Amino acid sequence: GAGVSQSPSNKVTEKGKDVELRCDPISGHTALYWYRQRLGQGLEFLIYFQGNSAPDKSGLPSDRFSAERTGESVSTLTIQRTQQEDSAVYLCASSLQEGAFEQFFGPGTRLTVL
Amino acid sequence: AQKITQTQPGMFVQEKEAVTLDCTYDTSDPSYGLFWYKQPSSGEMIFLIYQGSYDQQNATEGRYSLNFQKARKSANLVISASQLGDSAMYFCAMREALLGGYNKLIFGAGTRLAVHP
Repeated sequence: GAGVSQSPSNKVTEKGKDVELRCDPISGHTALYWYRQRLGQGLEFLIYFQGNSAPDKSGLPSDRFSAERTGESVSTLTIQRTQQEDSAVYLCASSLQEGAFEQFFGPGTRLTVL
Repeated sequence: AQKITQTQPGMFVQEKEAVTLDCTYDTSDPSYGLFWYKQPSSGEMIFLIYQGSYDQQNATEGRYSLNFQKARKSANLVISASQLGDSAMYFCAMREALLGGYNKLIFGAGTRLAVHP
């Protein structure tokens, strides 16, 4: 079956521009997570969605970062006025329900801010 | 605060030998879970194995086993009979079970494993 998909796979942008990263979770998965992975480091939690609501936004590093989810499916992570320190791989994961242990990860979007 | 520590930035192992990747954790929550993920050079995160804090026996999944020592707060991954395809980054992670019932994962910095023929 189809796994978690993310688009684009790579994004190169100029400092100060806005970017949108998309995540399509596994069909039927109600829980969705965004993580950031800087080069050579582990993953950092950004935000969690249960359905269309985001009860935990504690990992968003600044107010330039926002995310939404519509139709209990697709989620979009938006970074406004990008900075070079935003360069990272952004990974999305979904799980069947909020209490489910296993998170299924997408392939990630590699963002490079010049 | 919860924390995962992986002290081995890189490890080498000969093909067909066993290797242990270290992971220690810190939490005050009596209920938690520990994961190991593999990340090949292609970038995807592949779930390997899970251990719950109340599980009595160490988790095993094929060639992967988790050496869970609760008193020492360690959850080392043992890979038996290493294969060339095991070369990858390996991440230890802890499930932070929050009041909302969901599972935020806290990751360690990772260990890069290289399997030599």
